[in-house]
Amino acid sequence: ETGVTQSPTHLIKTRGQQVTLRCSSQSGHNTVSWYQQALGQGPQFIFQYYREEENGRGNFPPRFSGLQFPNYSSELNVNALELDDSALYLCASSREYGYTFGSGTRLTVV
Amino acid sequence: RKEVEQDPGPFNVPEGATVAFNCTYSNSASQSFFWYRQDCRKEPKLLMSVYSSGNEDGRFTAQLNRASQYISLLIRDSKLSDSATYLCVVKGAYNQGGKLIFGQGTELSVKP
Repeated sequence: ETGVTQSPTHLIKTRGQQVTLRCSSQSGHNTVSWYQQALGQGPQFIFQYYREEENGRGNFPPRFSGLQFPNYSSELNVNALELDDSALYLCASSREYGYTFGSGTRLTVV
Repeated sequence: RKEVEQDPGPFNVPEGATVAFNCTYSNSASQSFFWYRQDCRKEPKLLMSVYSSGNEDGRFTAQLNRASQYISLLIRDSKLSDSATYLCVVKGAYNQGGKLIFGQGTELSVKP
């Protein structure tokens, strides 16, 4: 069984640009959630998708949006990037109880 | 108040020491409880789930007190390889969509 794969691993963007991060779920997992982890902090919940529908959202502005596809893979889109968006973005897939995290995308906004 | 709060770190201990981490959570309707380990610049990985009856996995013992909304992790005979950040994690209540809520993490450094 394959794990959770995220791409790209690292990314540098300029303030004001848009970015799309991708996540392939672990086989058999129908739920995917996204987290933002700033340096020295724990991961913060952004949103969760279950069978292509958003079913939970954290305290993040609308410029953070997402999609889940029929194969349960997912995208996180961030518009109008700000310097404070620099962080490690983690994707986790799950089915019922177990969560598996990808290795993350490290985004730097300059 | 943060939903999940952990001891501030870092903890610097010698090999062989016993170290304890504490954590409190604010929502009494929380469903499940975990300790995750995160190595530098890597993803969090599940260390162990935490049950009301307490549970042990080798040198690691986790405890949950639902009445006090308190979670703990005890590491005995610490090894150099235990150096990492330990994250207290609570699975939110059903009306929170069951999301994982992380504490800020406590850094552990085990020295020779």
